[in-house]
Amino acid sequence: DGGITQSPKYLFRKEGQNVTLSCEQNLNHDAMYWYRQDPGQGLRLIYYSQIVNDFQKGDIAEGYSVSREKKESFPLTVTSAQKNPTAFYLCASSIQQGRTEAFFGQGTRLTVV
Amino acid sequence: GEDVEQSLFLSVREGDSSVINCTYTDSSSTYLYWYKQEPGAGLQLLTYIFSNMDMKQDQRLTVLLNKKDKHLSLRIADTQTGDSAIYFCAKRAYIPTFGRGTSLIVHP
Repeated sequence: DGGITQSPKYLFRKEGQNVTLSCEQNLNHDAMYWYRQDPGQGLRLIYYSQIVNDFQKGDIAEGYSVSREKKESFPLTVTSAQKNPTAFYLCASSIQQGRTEAFFGQGTRLTVV
Repeated sequence: GEDVEQSLFLSVREGDSSVINCTYTDSSSTYLYWYKQEPGAGLQLLTYIFSNMDMKQDQRLTVLLNKKDKHLSLRIADTQTGDSAIYFCAKRAYIPTFGRGTSLIVHP
């Protein structure tokens, strides 16, 4: 079955730690996206990637970093510079940027302890 | 203002129809989507409509598009408790653009 897999489903971070959220897709999609979801605020774009080895900042990129070394993988690192990282993180992909609908993973809930 | 706007909450009784509304600003031809998000899960594509259509029906779901007013609605007939979720409207764009989501609460 094709789809997008995010792991882990729940993640706890101590103050000052970096953590990495995994996103893998086997849909052969070129474009991938990371969104952050907070209650009542909808989806806010963190980073997006149109092709391998290329990515662009979204609206709220500060305190986050990404890489796109393989077409199927787009990991997101939440760094210690992100002061309020507790949120629900969603990864999505589309065949090509701006050409089709987006498909979503099941999300990772990150909590700072 | 935001490209896509939605009201935040809707409460209906089980068995009634639900109507979730959305307005958008960009009038260029494109696809418009409705997604459903259940608690603790990702977004699932429910249905879509192309901007040259007025209506699309898919079982209990009816999508209406008023291009003049840039207004999109999703009607769910015979709403069930399993329909309780957050519903997002979205438009196809270089960056997928979503509304803030409407929380649908279905009570007995």
